Amino acid sequence: EAGVAQSPRYKIIEKRQSVAFWCNPISGHATLYWYQQILGQGPKLLIQFQNNGVVDDSQLPKDRFSAERLKGVDSTLKIQPAKLEDSAVYLCASSFGASDPIQYFGAGTRLSVL
Amino acid sequence: RKEVEQDPGPFNVPEGATVAFNCTYSNSASQSFFWYRQDCRKEPKLLMSVYSSGNEDGRFTAQLNRASQYISLLIRDSKLSDSATYLCAVNTRGNKLVFGAGTILRVKS
Repeated sequence: EAGVAQSPRYKIIEKRQSVAFWCNPISGHATLYWYQQILGQGPKLLIQFQNNGVVDDSQLPKDRFSAERLKGVDSTLKIQPAKLEDSAVYLCASSFGASDPIQYFGAGTRLSVL
Repeated sequence: RKEVEQDPGPFNVPEGATVAFNCTYSNSASQSFFWYRQDCRKEPKLLMSVYSSGNEDGRFTAQLNRASQYISLLIRDSKLSDSATYLCAVNTRGNKLVFGAGTILRVKS
């Protein structure tokens, strides 16, 4: 079974530029999550989708971050404009459904903002 | 107070040693609990789920103490390959996972 796919693996940008990350969850998984993991910290949930609807985006900095999952499958997370403090690994995870607590993670996108 | 707290370590242990990590959580309504393992520059991978009174998987044992709001992970007969960061994760309503900052384990020969 294929796992959660993410791209790109690495991205280096300058502050105030924009960047987008892509995620394709495990086939059949209805719930998709985006996390931000800053060096030395645990992953922090940014946004949770159930199919193509947002369940929780309370920790998403909406002035600069946006995410969509238009067809209920793959998802895109965008940062515009990026700040230095956005340097982190952006992890995508998926689970079978809203009642399934076990999440499977992709390899992540490592973002460096210079 | 952080919602999930872990001792960051590092725990430096020799091969064959037994080591234990604790994780405390603040939300008494938390429903389920997990230990994830994260290797350097890799994604977190589920190690164990801890649902009720705990469970065991080979050399790994996880325990839950709801009264004191903590979970623990015990690793027996440590291997070099056990070196990693161990993340505690607590599931709240809506399947939201809150992670601790992780505990670093280094097993040395």
